[in-house]
Amino acid sequence: AQKITQTQPGMFVQEKEAVTLDCTYDTSDQSYGLFWYKQPSSGEMIFLIYQGSYDEQNATEGRYSLNFQKARKSANLVISASQLGDSAMYFCAMREGYSGGSNYKLTFGKGTLLTVNP
Amino acid sequence: DAGVIQSPRHEVTEMGQEVTLRCKPISGHNSLFWYRQTMMRGLELLIYFNNNVPIDDSGMPEDRFSAKMPNASFSTLKIQPSEPRDSAVYFCASSSPRGGSYNEQFFGPGTRLTVL
Repeated sequence: AQKITQTQPGMFVQEKEAVTLDCTYDTSDQSYGLFWYKQPSSGEMIFLIYQGSYDEQNATEGRYSLNFQKARKSANLVISASQLGDSAMYFCAMREGYSGGSNYKLTFGKGTLLTVNP
Repeated sequence: DAGVIQSPRHEVTEMGQEVTLRCKPISGHNSLFWYRQTMMRGLELLIYFNNNVPIDDSGMPEDRFSAKMPNASFSTLKIQPSEPRDSAVYFCASSSPRGGSYNEQFFGPGTRLTVL
């Protein structure tokens, strides 16, 4: 079974509207971390936001927020007030184990290509 | 501060040739990761190091691939002999286990490898 599932290969959104990118995960660990990265057409991977499994509040970073539903094992990325520069591939990733340990391995999903229309 | 540095940025070679990709992690980071990205397989972890020691190389596709980290500021990924199916973008990333950090990985710009 895939550890990270992103069911939306592509998404479209109008500029200035909000969009939600889906991510579900599969782990038996109690301690884990979830990450979102952005990859624009230029190719670099940009870290956006992080959610720890024990964090009680949903993470927020500017226009990015993470809708973390632990029981459903979902960690959806919400982008508010979309901008043309948000057009990119977005990857969800998971680190299993606690952040102070030695296992820093990330497993990435297949990604969602977001297109923001003017 | 400089980010993760990779060289070369682009490499075109012929089948059978040896290819060496280089990476300089962010200073102070003690974990280093090599990934391969293709359209078909997405982003795959090939190998990662903690404190210069290889921890998990289960993603290395075959014996033609090898990776080394002789010191904290340098790593290489070598393919010998290269094959057309090795064509991909190869990313290097580094992270730090400092307290309070998310352990997020910082990626280099990638090396686009084309094997003819």
